[in-house]
Amino acid sequence: AQSVTQLGSHVSVSEGALVLLRCNYSSSVPPYLFWYVQYPNQGLQLLLKYTTGATLVKGINGFEAEFKKSETSFHLTKPSAHMSDAAEYFCAVSGWGYQKVTFGTGTKLQVIP
Amino acid sequence: GAGVSQSPSNKVTEKGKDVELRCDPISGHTALYWYRQRLGQGLEFLIYFQGNSAPDKSGLPSDRFSAERTGESVSTLTIQRTQQEDSAVYLCASSLLSGGHADTQYFGPGTRLTVL
Repeated sequence: AQSVTQLGSHVSVSEGALVLLRCNYSSSVPPYLFWYVQYPNQGLQLLLKYTTGATLVKGINGFEAEFKKSETSFHLTKPSAHMSDAAEYFCAVSGWGYQKVTFGTGTKLQVIP
Repeated sequence: GAGVSQSPSNKVTEKGKDVELRCDPISGHTALYWYRQRLGQGLEFLIYFQGNSAPDKSGLPSDRFSAERTGESVSTLTIQRTQQEDSAVYLCASSLLSGGHADTQYFGPGTRLTVL
């Protein structure tokens, strides 16, 4: 079985501040981990993903995430928030042999000017 | 190239009616996924197709829900005898599925279903 927990359904940060969105997963096989973003009135798009290899992955728009197996975490960070980062962010997990991708419940990021 | 398209974009129906939702994946994408997103909630996996085969249908919420796919092309999600709790945005995504589920999913804009 696999599951994803996103801590905090809403996160607010000031413009220019660090963005940290938390994701913990459970998987019985080596996981594939994803962050997707849904901007207002737009469809979901991939921010970044981890499958194998380097545990620090970089995505679009300055975001990055680090796979920490010992902590079963895949937190999303960005050093300096921009107003255009306001969106809903979804963490997701899958793995070889699974028949689906499991998404978390999402975290809405608000950026305060 | 063209992305994933879904139709209709909005559907309002009366309780008890049947509805059919359509998804056109990106050409060449083997995998196709259906999700449901209720207001204020995350994505709920419904079903995935590998080609025209659905290895696992356990995500479908009830026997009122069914889905089909023609080859590696169009998919339809049918909801029979709709209920108010079926109101949601139904999202479709496709991917290459070249390595398990490691491939990026490309999402369509969704169909917003409202059951009165």
